[in-house]
Amino acid sequence: QQQVKQSPQSLIVQKGGISIINCAYENTAFDYFPWYQQFPGKGPALLIAIRPDVSEKKEGRFTISFNKSAKQFSLHIMDSQPGDSATYFCAASETYKYIFGTGTRLKVLA
Amino acid sequence: KAGVTQTPRYLIKTRGQQVTLSCSPISGHRSVSWYQQTPGQGLQFLFEYFSETQRNKGNFPGRFSGRQFSNSRSEMNVSTLELGDSALYLCASAVWLGGTEAFFGQGTRLTVV
Repeated sequence: QQQVKQSPQSLIVQKGGISIINCAYENTAFDYFPWYQQFPGKGPALLIAIRPDVSEKKEGRFTISFNKSAKQFSLHIMDSQPGDSATYFCAASETYKYIFGTGTRLKVLA
Repeated sequence: KAGVTQTPRYLIKTRGQQVTLSCSPISGHRSVSWYQQTPGQGLQFLFEYFSETQRNKGNFPGRFSGRQFSNSRSEMNVSTLELGDSALYLCASAVWLGGTEAFFGQGTRLTVV
């Protein structure tokens, strides 16, 4: 049973464009929502995270938008660069575990 | 500050064997959680330890087990290996999982032949 649904599965964006990845969840007990970036052969690296009492959080070019009533959250990558080409995972935390989305493979064209 | 260290990085084992993977968390982190990553299933939660106690366990067979030592280092063991156990095994360390940031190691790539 997939508790965190992530879309799209893959995304191609031009350099300088905005990349948007969406996640939806059903379990209202989730209380922490991190995003991870993973390059081939590497472990996931934490990008940014948010709690449900905050509607938006920005760190550099990365922004999380959170809609508690819709049970959705999204990652926006502004001014996307070829170096951002990687797989992105959203996650949700419940009691002492993370549940991950299925991942989005982002390719930024130079 | 040293990151999360997983050893070994690569392993090749034969069906039926057992394997032990190790994870050394970031200094000061007492939570260690383990995940299995495969192309088909994505990142699946295995278990989480905090101060040597398993606090949560995922939906994996009993062949998958783990433990945590007093220095917060953790090991996971897989017995009677099956071909389907081939995966990247990742551990994450946190001061408190779900309350603070969690950082992943590079993973151990296990291949079962």
